[in-house]
Amino acid sequence: DARVTQTPRHKVTEMGQEVTMRCQPILGHNTVFWYRQTMMQGLELLAYFRNRAPLDDSGMPKDRFSAEMPDATLATLKIQPSEPRDSAVYFCASALFLGTGEGEQYFGPGTRLTVT
Amino acid sequence: AQTVTQSQPEMSVQEAETVTLSCTYDTSESNYYLFWYKQPPSRQMILVIRQEAYKQQNATENRFSVNFQKAAKSFSLKISDSQLGDTAMYFCAFMKGINNNDMRFGAGTRLTVKP
Repeated sequence: DARVTQTPRHKVTEMGQEVTMRCQPILGHNTVFWYRQTMMQGLELLAYFRNRAPLDDSGMPKDRFSAEMPDATLATLKIQPSEPRDSAVYFCASALFLGTGEGEQYFGPGTRLTVT
Repeated sequence: AQTVTQSQPEMSVQEAETVTLSCTYDTSESNYYLFWYKQPPSRQMILVIRQEAYKQQNATENRFSVNFQKAAKSFSLKISDSQLGDTAMYFCAFMKGINNNDMRFGAGTRLTVKP
């Protein structure tokens, strides 16, 4: 049963600390997305990668957020330094893009981040 | 830019009855995909149903069906024979086709199924 995994599931940290969230996409998927979900903004796309290359990170605050794909099985989202307004649920999703638009996204369970 | 609007923040329905969730979107694209995702309290995002814009026939998945009105840019979800397990947040989503699968989500509708 292929699924997207995310770690940690919950993270509580103090303002100013570095936070790293990890995602393992479904094996064989070539596109990875990072979303942030808050009550006020709903679901926002932060960044996404295709074949490990960043395609769009315009939704991500550049001064403190960074996203990478060290290899095809791991995507990371890092916040440094973290702020209370970063508190949210962060979702990773993966998809197989074939050039025909068949890019159905499969979501991970999310990481609930609380910054105090 | 594509926008997705869900105008019903909350809805409720009695078990076994039918409920319709609304979604409208704005785009200049002619080829695109529309989705409904369900997010139960577990927070897991689950795909409920999808619709390709070039298909005139409305998609159905068991108790779930859509009413896709392309000219009106409307994409509503109908849940028949509602069950307690249908209680969740429902998100409407839009995805440009062919060269891009960047997805945009609506704000969500919280559905409560009452016994």
